[in-house]
Amino acid sequence: GAVVSQHPSRVICKSGTSVKIECRSLDFQATTMFWYRQFPKQSLMLMATSNEGSKATYEQGVEKDKFLINHASLTLSTLTVTSAHPEDSSFYICSAPPPLAVPGTQYFGPGTRLLVL
Amino acid sequence: AQSVAQPEDQVNVAEGNPLTVKCTYSVSGNPYLFWYVQYPNRGLQFLLKYITGDNLVKGSYGFEAEFNKSQTSFHLKKPSALVSDSALYFCAVRDRNSGNTPLVFGKGTRLSVIA
Repeated sequence: GAVVSQHPSRVICKSGTSVKIECRSLDFQATTMFWYRQFPKQSLMLMATSNEGSKATYEQGVEKDKFLINHASLTLSTLTVTSAHPEDSSFYICSAPPPLAVPGTQYFGPGTRLLVL
Repeated sequence: AQSVAQPEDQVNVAEGNPLTVKCTYSVSGNPYLFWYVQYPNRGLQFLLKYITGDNLVKGSYGFEAEFNKSQTSFHLKKPSALVSDSALYFCAVRDRNSGNTPLVFGKGTRLSVIA
């Protein structure tokens, strides 16, 4: 079945540094990928929609200059948390809808846990 | 606008007993409905979905859900709970006519199955 991977699975960084998270579709091409953020004991909050070959679409309240998204190819989207602060600590999950699947179908990555010290 | 409500933060059930995790939704048109499960520090795993057809949908690990249009509900059920079912469960919805938009998730319900 379709698989989405994320790297790294866990990262700890110092405040003020930048962190890049990769999301890859392993056996299908994804023109669109979604980035979610999940706080402890809360639901997934959609941050942005990553579009291959064009700019990402950010949800209201999400700072585009802080959360840089690049969809460099049909199988890779990256989320860069710039100048990270402790409040950016969270679980970040990406997903991708496989082609020709039932609308609404999304395959989720395993998530990346970010801890900013 | 689309939304999902999971009214229970936590559901506790004894092993072997039936379980229900509730979900109601709101969409402007007809819905696609999904249930996902999340284990600690893991991504979401697909359980089942309702697209069209039979209102009773059977999914992975013995779970099923019933689409009730009049009550706008899509409750998740299992006849006999296992301790290994303990996890966080998310209901999600998408309007059929909303293009390639992402799913809207409920806040999740934590299921605890006690041996």
